[in-house]
Amino acid sequence: AQKVTQAQTEISVVEKEDVTLDCVYETRDTTYYLFWYKQPPSGELVFLIRRNSFDEQNEISGRYSWNFQKSTSSFNFTITASQVVDSAVYFCALKNVLTGANSKLTFGKGITLSVRP
Amino acid sequence: GAGVSQSPSNKVTEKGKDVELRCDPISGHTALYWYRQSLGQGLEFLIYFQGNSAPDKSGLPSDRFSAERTGGSVSTLTIQRTQQEDSAVYLCASSLEFYEQYFGPGTRLTVT
Repeated sequence: AQKVTQAQTEISVVEKEDVTLDCVYETRDTTYYLFWYKQPPSGELVFLIRRNSFDEQNEISGRYSWNFQKSTSSFNFTITASQVVDSAVYFCALKNVLTGANSKLTFGKGITLSVRP
Repeated sequence: GAGVSQSPSNKVTEKGKDVELRCDPISGHTALYWYRQSLGQGLEFLIYFQGNSAPDKSGLPSDRFSAERTGGSVSTLTIQRTQQEDSAVYLCASSLEFYEQYFGPGTRLTVT
C-alpha cells in the first residue's frame, strides 16, 4: 500500500515570508517518483516537480526549492519570499514505478496556502 | 502546444440520468488517466488507459461508472443513473511513459 500525508491543512503567511510545505510518504517499493502540483483558484492542477527515488539531490528553481530525504520518507517544498500569486492548494503525490511505468498517482490531501499582502 | 482539454466544463444533471464526460489528451501522450476531486475525498484515481486498453480500473467506485478510449486519443467517462454522491470535479490527465501527468481543467458535475 502507498500513502502520502500532508499534515498541514492550511497555512497563512504574509508576503515575503518563507514557507515550507511538508510531505511524508509511505511505500514498500524501492523505485518510485514523487511530485508536487499546484492548484490555483482557477482550479487547474499545474505540475511543479518530479523526483525519482534514486536522486536525493535537492533542487532549486527560482524561489522554489525541494528537500528529498529518503531516511525520513519526506519530500518537503519551500517557497522563499512568498508572493500573493503563490496562494493555492499544493499537492504532493507518489507513483510506484514497479507496478507499471504509467501507474496512478497517489495524492496527499493538499495544503491550502494563503499569502497575504 | 495544446494541453489536455475536457468538456463540458460544467454539467448539472438530475439524479438518475446518465452523463458523458470527454477528455482530449495532449497529442502523442500514450497514457490517459481519470481522477475525481471532491471536498471529502480529495483527489481519487478512477482509471488509467495505455493506448485503448485499461490496465487499471481499480478506482471506479461502482459498475455505474465506465470509460473508454478510442484511437489512442479521446476518452469518454460515462456515469449511469447518477447519484448525488457522484457530484465532484472530474479531472483527466495524460502523460508519456515514466513522466509527469498533465491535467485538464476538469468537468464540474453537479447532481441535483
